[in-house]
Amino acid sequence: IVLTQSPGTLSLSPGDRATLSCRASQSVDSNSLAWYQQKPGQAPRLLIYGASDRPTGIPDRFSGSGSGTDFTLTISRLEPEDFAVYYCQQYGYSITFGQGTRLEIK
Amino acid sequence: QVQLQQWGAGLLKPSETLSLTCGVFGGSFSDYYWTWIRQSPGKGLEWIGEITQSGSTNYNPSLKSRVTISAATSKNQFSLYVGSVTAADTAVYYCARGVLRFGEFHFDHWGQGTLVTVSS
Repeated sequence: IVLTQSPGTLSLSPGDRATLSCRASQSVDSNSLAWYQQKPGQAPRLLIYGASDRPTGIPDRFSGSGSGTDFTLTISRLEPEDFAVYYCQQYGYSITFGQGTRLEIK
Repeated sequence: QVQLQQWGAGLLKPSETLSLTCGVFGGSFSDYYWTWIRQSPGKGLEWIGEITQSGSTNYNPSLKSRVTISAATSKNQFSLYVGSVTAADTAVYYCARGVLRFGEFHFDHWGQGTLVTVSS
């Protein structure tokens, strides 16, 4: 399954709302879609799993939605530390990641 | 608090074997999928393969002929071996803990990453 993320780069300001998209080439079973945040020089960090569940410790300004082939990560009100690269990941026949969306300060 | 700490050689020559090990600290080794993932500028994040405590493995078909993942469960460690490396294997390699729950799978803990460069 190929995951296509859009946009490639998103330029916003602190306090704005961010909407990131992840589209799958085939339906993702059991909503097995996760989102990660990666900052320079760091490993990815799990933000959302099961399309919409947040691990303990992830702020509630991060939310995930969607099913089938279309998924969205929403950051309700951007904080300075949210500017990073975001990846989606699916589990099905194999495990694949999207190519990432870079969220940059406008 | 679960921590994954990885180590191994960072500079290899073409045709050599890549060898990395990941230690799992502060958590159980059972019930999870111990995974290697790599990240290169050209290919993004790429799942390499996984191993369970029972020794069951799964590999990315594109790498399967050159990859072996093994585990030393008594030490809470697992290792990655990639044979006959080329420049295309240059990447940051991560170990990660995979969680499978009700058909949904994600990675909840990651190692710090190791930059592996293949150059003559």
